[in-house]
Formats: sequence, structure tokens, C-alpha cells
Amino acid sequence: SAVISQKPSRDICQRGTSLTIQCQVDSQVTMMFWYRQQPGQSLTLIATANQGSEATYESGFVIDKFPISRPNLTFSTLTVSNMSPEDSSIYLCSVMTATQYFGPGTRLTVL
Amino acid sequence: GQQLNQSPQSMFIQEGEDVSMNCTSSSIFNTWLWYKQDPGEGPVLLIALYKAGELTSNGRLTAQFGITRKDSFLNISASIPSDVGIYFCAGLSNFGNEKLTFGTGTRLTIIP
Repeated sequence: SAVISQKPSRDICQRGTSLTIQCQVDSQVTMMFWYRQQPGQSLTLIATANQGSEATYESGFVIDKFPISRPNLTFSTLTVSNMSPEDSSIYLCSVMTATQYFGPGTRLTVL
Repeated sequence: GQQLNQSPQSMFIQEGEDVSMNCTSSSIFNTWLWYKQDPGEGPVLLIALYKAGELTSNGRLTAQFGITRKDSFLNISASIPSDVGIYFCAGLSNFGNEKLTFGTGTRLTIIP
């Protein structure tokens, strides 16, 4: 298994600002993923972040809005840029080891 | 993106009752995973299924990988209050190289 931590756990932000979410894993992993979970909804994959390569974004998500860093095998960041109320969601980091594990999530509220 | 059809969408049961939920897809998956999400938390893996027809238990939970590889079900026996939460199925078409496709979720509520 993998133990995943995220910071911050929650935040309330103003429209137009940006927030960077950090994800730390207790072991080295190749594949990391960022998901968004809108209120009352299932999980939607934003991008796959593998160390040593550019993140791969899913349809509907772009790098300018959700830039991702993956500087090493245990850490990644997701930035939500130029936020609007529609970005209010839970953002989840996930890793693939023997199977796929999730972090506790970052609950973002944009006013 | 693509989502799996999960049913029922919600369940209201009494403590001690058994629970059954399922997930269906038009596509074949090589791995099925079942997660539980508590309020304010990330999904926690309950059971992983890797082979068509496989039946796997984890305590009071039992899950099966459908023979057609297009469906899976999860049963919870003798439900207790801590079973409350949202249950998600997820399918993986090529383990280790593909992305998870998530179900729409089943919200379980236990009536006192």
C-alpha cells in the first residue's frame, strides 16, 4: 500500500486567485494522478503525472488552468489557476502501486 | 469522461440488513476495484478483483468480477453504522498502464 498526504486539507479562496495543492507519498511511485470530485459527483481524472515527463491531461482540462509539477518520485503539485466558483471541488491525488490509492483530498471553496 | 453505471444510486437500510450493489459497463475491464468514501475523506480501497469470475471477501464484504468482464457486484452483510458512506466501483482496462474509470457511486444510509 501507499500512504498519501495532501496539503492543504481545505481552503477558501477568492475568485481570480490561484492555489497550489501538494501531494506527498511515503514511497517512490512512477504513476501519479490528479482527480477532481465536484459536489455530489464521482471522480473525474484531470491528468496523469509521471516523473520525468510532461503531465498528460484529460479532455476538458488544460495545462494553463491546472499546471502540474512532478519533481521526483514521491511528490507532485497541482495548481488551480485563476479560480472561479465553478472550481469549488475536492481535489484528490492518487498513486498506482500494486493497485490505486488515494490521498485524503483538498476541499476547495471559491467565493 | 466515461463512467460506469452503478446501481442503486442510493440505499436506505436498517442496521443488520445485507446490502448489494452492482456496476455495469459496455466495455471490458481487466481489473475491478471497489472503494468507500467517507465525508471529507478520499476513497479507501475495499476490494480488488483481477480475474473474471473471481469472488473475493474482506470481512463482511464480498465482491465478484463478472464472467463477461463487464460487471461487478459488492455485497455487505449484516450492515453496521460505520458502513455509511459512498461506494464507488472502478474499472481498469490494462492494469498499470491505463486510467481508472469510476462508477457513479452508491450512497448508503443506515436508518436508526
